[in-house]
Amino acid sequence: DTEVTQTPKHLVMGMTNKKSLKCEQHMGHRAMYWYKQKAKKPPELMFVYSYEKLSINESVPSRFSPECPNSSLLNLHLHALQPEDSALYLCASSPTATENTEAFFGQGTRLTVV
Amino acid sequence: GDSVTQMEGPVTLSEEAFLTINCTYTATGYPSLFWYVQYPGEGLQLLLKATKADDKGSNKGFEATYRKETTSFHLEKGSVQVSDSAVYFCALSRTRGYNKLIFGAGTRLAVHP
Repeated sequence: DTEVTQTPKHLVMGMTNKKSLKCEQHMGHRAMYWYKQKAKKPPELMFVYSYEKLSINESVPSRFSPECPNSSLLNLHLHALQPEDSALYLCASSPTATENTEAFFGQGTRLTVV
Repeated sequence: GDSVTQMEGPVTLSEEAFLTINCTYTATGYPSLFWYVQYPGEGLQLLLKATKADDKGSNKGFEATYRKETTSFHLEKGSVQVSDSAVYFCALSRTRGYNKLIFGAGTRLAVHP
């Protein structure tokens, strides 16, 4: 099983809403990532979790709050977002966070902030 | 810092044509190199990879060779199909610190019957 599963696939939220994106992997990977992809742009790294601990925050605004409840799950909590936060949010995993290896991506959650 | 440069698209080809998408990189050390593909409305799929100089990655008829002397990792396919229409991203993984993928800008490929 080489799948990373993300839910929901689409999400529309208002600027005062609170919502969460969910990600799950069953490959035994110990590193998980959130990437943000704007239209016609490459993905940009937001957060890195290694062994369930937040290792890297790429200067992401606090309205995005990641959480790693266990080694298979990764959440991204959203609060008070702006329309410019509308994007495709991609979850990924890799065996570890320190080897230069490939990451496996989920299908993404397409977020629209209205 | 580390970076990846891809040829600008879109690339428009007829079915069964030969495909080349150029990719060059700048990096310290010896990064691993990847090609990812993104079909419309979907996430990224790993297409192929190479982890050291002169390695050739291949998958689904696509090939790319890790050329350290020219710092390149060009993607090729001998005969494209309509189903290959997608955006292709060249990427490297850093050799220091945490595993961060550095992506090129992406090249959109459109294949017509």
